[in-house]
Amino acid sequence: DGGITQSPKYLFRKEGQNVTLSCEQNLNHDAMYWYRQDPGQGLRLIYYSQIVNDFQKGDIAEGYSVSREKKESFPLTVTSAQKNPTAFYLCASSRPQGEAGNTIYFGEGSWLTVV
Amino acid sequence: ELKVEQNPLFLSMQEGKNYTIYCNYSTTSDRLYWYRQDPGKSLESLFVLLSNGAVKQEGRLMASLDTKARLSTLHITAAVHDLSATYFCAVLPMDSNYQLIWGAGTKLIIKP
Repeated sequence: DGGITQSPKYLFRKEGQNVTLSCEQNLNHDAMYWYRQDPGQGLRLIYYSQIVNDFQKGDIAEGYSVSREKKESFPLTVTSAQKNPTAFYLCASSRPQGEAGNTIYFGEGSWLTVV
Repeated sequence: ELKVEQNPLFLSMQEGKNYTIYCNYSTTSDRLYWYRQDPGKSLESLFVLLSNGAVKQEGRLMASLDTKARLSTLHITAAVHDLSATYFCAVLPMDSNYQLIWGAGTKLIIKP
């Protein structure tokens, strides 16, 4: 079945550590996104990528990094520079929204907790 | 500033009642999306509204879009407990193909 797979679902990070969240999609979508959601809040865009080897910062990119070496994959690294990383992280993908209003599809999410 | 405002942010209602969630936005757009999120879960797409006057219905949920008023509504008819969730609207500005602007979400609790 087509979809978006995020891993791990739960992750604990120690202070000063970098951690990487995986996101893989087999929907053949060009665009991929990372969002952060804090408890009881809406979604905030961290990074997005429209095409392989290219990505743009979203609203809260500081302390995060991404890569897009393959169309199917868009991993997110939460660096030690991100001082308050505890949140729910959602990966998503889509065709360009200009194409008949294609919607964004979301993965199941990853919970990151700092210990 | 690009803003999407949902109203109300929290709603508790009885089963069988009708209610409407409002989504106002500040930018020019003709593409609006509604999503549902269950606690601790990901987001599920409900509706994609692509033009002024668009209306879509699925079961007890009906969404509409008025691009001139920059307003979308999500109407719930004869609510049932299973519709309890948080509902988000998101807008795609006219000058963007990728960056949706999200509302804060409306947490809906339907009591039996």
